[in-house]
Amino acid sequence: AQSVTQLDSQVPVFEEAPVELRCNYSSSVSVYLFWYVQYPNQGLQLLLKYLSGSTLVESINGFEAEFNKSQTSFHLRKPSVHISDTAEYFCAVSEVITPLVFGKGTRLSVIA
Amino acid sequence: DGGITQSPKYLFRKEGQNVTLSCEQNLNHDAMYWYRQDPGQGLRLIYYSQIVNDFQKGDIAEGYSVSREKKESFPLTVTSAQKNPTAFYLCASSPRDRQETQYFGPGTRLLVL
Repeated sequence: AQSVTQLDSQVPVFEEAPVELRCNYSSSVSVYLFWYVQYPNQGLQLLLKYLSGSTLVESINGFEAEFNKSQTSFHLRKPSVHISDTAEYFCAVSEVITPLVFGKGTRLSVIA
Repeated sequence: DGGITQSPKYLFRKEGQNVTLSCEQNLNHDAMYWYRQDPGQGLRLIYYSQIVNDFQKGDIAEGYSVSREKKESFPLTVTSAQKNPTAFYLCASSPRDRQETQYFGPGTRLLVL
């Protein structure tokens, strides 16, 4: 069965600094990978996803993630964060026909 | 507007009571899901349904029950057998053959008094 590990539970970063949120997964078959964002007391919103093709995927608000099969990773990066990026971020994996399995989340706090 | 609605936003339960959380979607999705979220635990799957009148247990189904009588509705009942029900509950839906593309509702926070 697949599993997801988010290596940092909390990441504080100053505004306009770069950030990387780390995600590793384990699976014996091909997977789909996702990053979701959750603002306080709200549901989850899909940030970006890797299904196939280019290993670098981007979101509309400047985040990007790179699928690295050899390292079984899907780290999320942004070159310059804003206060509005403060939220909890979840990495998730699916083995195509199975429900999503989520990591425990990383709380990103952007400091002015 | 298409989307998923969950009601109520906050729900209070006395110990020993059953409560039902509502989830409705107008996205014409076949599959629906219930997750439980606890601080530092991420999301854990309670039940999911891929089609009307059919559902499967997820990782933490004990103390919960569901029904799927209509395509657009997937209510979750938290029974008195659930010993630690205080949590944030999230409902999601997806096309049947695209389970990786899930859309989430705004959530219901359940508090036990």
